[in-house]
Amino acid sequence: SAVISQKPSRDICQRGTSLTIQCQVDSQVTMMFWYRQQPGQSLTLIATANQGSEATYESGFVIDKFPISRPNLTFSTLTVSNMSPEDSSIYLCSVTGQGGTDTQYFGPGTRLTVL
Amino acid sequence: AQTVTQSQPEMSVQEAETVTLSCTYDTSESDYYLFWYKQPPSRQMILVIRQEAYKQQNATENRFSVNFQKAAKSFSLKISDSQLGDAAMYFCAYEANSNYQLIWGAGTKLIIKP
Repeated sequence: SAVISQKPSRDICQRGTSLTIQCQVDSQVTMMFWYRQQPGQSLTLIATANQGSEATYESGFVIDKFPISRPNLTFSTLTVSNMSPEDSSIYLCSVTGQGGTDTQYFGPGTRLTVL
Repeated sequence: AQTVTQSQPEMSVQEAETVTLSCTYDTSESDYYLFWYKQPPSRQMILVIRQEAYKQQNATENRFSVNFQKAAKSFSLKISDSQLGDAAMYFCAYEANSNYQLIWGAGTKLIIKP
């Protein structure tokens, strides 16, 4: 499977500020996804990052709060805007489309704490 | 709507013993995929095993194997010869063949007793 990296690995931010999380893959992939994992919870899909077009957001998530970019087939960013303590979570990117399978492989995650 | 249920919030097993984690799901689809992922304290989500619904043979990966019962919509994970490094949250996930969205269970915390 591809090597997936995320930056930053963790951050502590003040409310009202924004943080951009990067996801880099070492090979081209078909699809990239962004998830949120709140403390003690399972994963919730935020959006599918589409290369060259606007991301597809899941119910409850909006572009103004979570703008996403995907300029090419190996890189995507997720911005968490105007943060509040409720945004404290682990944010994970995942990719699929390697080797013809649709299995999702995950990055190491970004632990975000909002004070 | 599809759902995935993991009824065991926490399980513990003695090192070197065998443990089985339960997962049931609900779907009207006939073609789908099922996964077990492991999330250690490092928070990286790691694929453990994958099962295609059309395959009757249960998937195995070294010490990890599944008992896939399609009619019963059950997908349990058996870990043999448990090791300390197996301690983690284990998540069961479902994916319909028609799209890439994963439906997740709530997770089972596995504790390994030395």
